Amino acid sequence: AQSVTQLDSHVSVSEGTPVLLRCNYSSSYSPSLFWYVQHPNKGLQLLLKYTSAATLVKGINGFEAEFKKSETSFHLTKPSAHMSDAAEYFCVVSDRNRGSTLGRLYFGRGTQLTVWP
Amino acid sequence: NAGVTQTPKFQVLKTGQSMTLQCAQDMNHNSMYWYRQDPGMGLRLIYYSASEGTTDKGEVPNGYNVSRLNKREFSLRLESAAPSQTSVYFCASSPRTGTGSETQYFGPGTRLLVL
Repeated sequence: AQSVTQLDSHVSVSEGTPVLLRCNYSSSYSPSLFWYVQHPNKGLQLLLKYTSAATLVKGINGFEAEFKKSETSFHLTKPSAHMSDAAEYFCVVSDRNRGSTLGRLYFGRGTQLTVWP
Repeated sequence: NAGVTQTPKFQVLKTGQSMTLQCAQDMNHNSMYWYRQDPGMGLRLIYYSASEGTTDKGEVPNGYNVSRLNKREFSLRLESAAPSQTSVYFCASSPRTGTGSETQYFGPGTRLLVL
């Protein structure tokens, strides 16, 4: 079974300071993991994804995430927050069971990032 | 450059009314999905269509039906709307390459209010 736990429902940072959004996963198979971002009243946009290549994944807008199998974690980081980063972020695991559910996504409950000036 | 489109963008229904949410993609993707988003719940899968001609239930299918009209279009129908179906609905599509690592591409969403 696949599931994702986002450890913080809200994170607040000051502009220019680092961002850390935490995610732990559970998967019966070698996972594919994603981070999506949703700006207010918008659809979801892919930030980055891990598919068993390099464990450090770089995404758009300066975000990156590190896959740590021993810790079952896939935390999202950014060295310096910008006001435009304020949004909701979703950690997602993909079903890689080769059956009818192949490719289904399982979403965490989301982390709301607030960036203070 | 359209990607995934959804209509309508916003809808208000009375309890018991029916409506169909429309979704279309122009990326020649095989798989399409319907999700609902509720505060603090993330996105939950309602129904999906792995390929043209097939549909399957997701996590929360009760009260909904779907039709994969062709490869491009996937509609979601509420036969008798209930206040519990007030939500934001997202359609998504993916190429389904067989690896389970496909990126899903999302539409802009439909905001539904059931009174």
